[in-house]
Amino acid sequence: SQQGEEDPQALSIQEGENATMNCSYKTSINNLQWYRQNSGRGLVHLILIRSNEREKHSGRLRVTLDTSKKSSSLLITASRAADTASYFCATMGGVSNYKLTFGKGTLLTVNP
Amino acid sequence: DGGITQSPKYLFRKEGQNVTLSCEQNLNHDAMYWYRQDPGQGLRLIYYSQIVNDFQKGDIAEGYSVSREKKESFPLTVTSAQKNPTAFYLCASGRVGPQETQYFGPGTRLLVL
Repeated sequence: SQQGEEDPQALSIQEGENATMNCSYKTSINNLQWYRQNSGRGLVHLILIRSNEREKHSGRLRVTLDTSKKSSSLLITASRAADTASYFCATMGGVSNYKLTFGKGTLLTVNP
Repeated sequence: DGGITQSPKYLFRKEGQNVTLSCEQNLNHDAMYWYRQDPGQGLRLIYYSQIVNDFQKGDIAEGYSVSREKKESFPLTVTSAQKNPTAFYLCASGRVGPQETQYFGPGTRLLVL
């Protein structure tokens, strides 16, 4: 079962603009993670936000988490052509269940 | 040079054939995972292992088998019972715990002849 659902499915912006992707989930979580995947490659971890955190920053990335709405957003500021990739949210839930459940991803295209 | 490797990069399967995908890590991680990714889709968990000689089924284990005889290795066999095996297969590893992340290999693309 897929827990996270990203929105939009695809996003196309110009270099220098900000990109915002959203993720919704259904059940309680330990944390929510964002990963990036370049075409035909493996995933790379970007950022993890714990269930008791509301906002987290890493370089040009800003992640928010609203557990009351069961949603998260990933903001990439001042985007670059090299940011073109698919972005996935993944939730980790349960007391002893340390599995990740991935959404279907947002395909971000940054045009130079 | 630490990391997680998968081989081969491309694999072709004939009808009725079993094929094995390799996954090796030298990150000293206890947990290893196998995911399947179909075009335009997210990742679905096939099998995972959090300790040597033990593994658990994921969401789509039917038609697949694994072993975990060594900490560093977690091979996945796609059996002839898997009727739609064409997909991109990703292996990952990580530490066991509620706030841990996963590290992914480069993937193996399996195609059916």
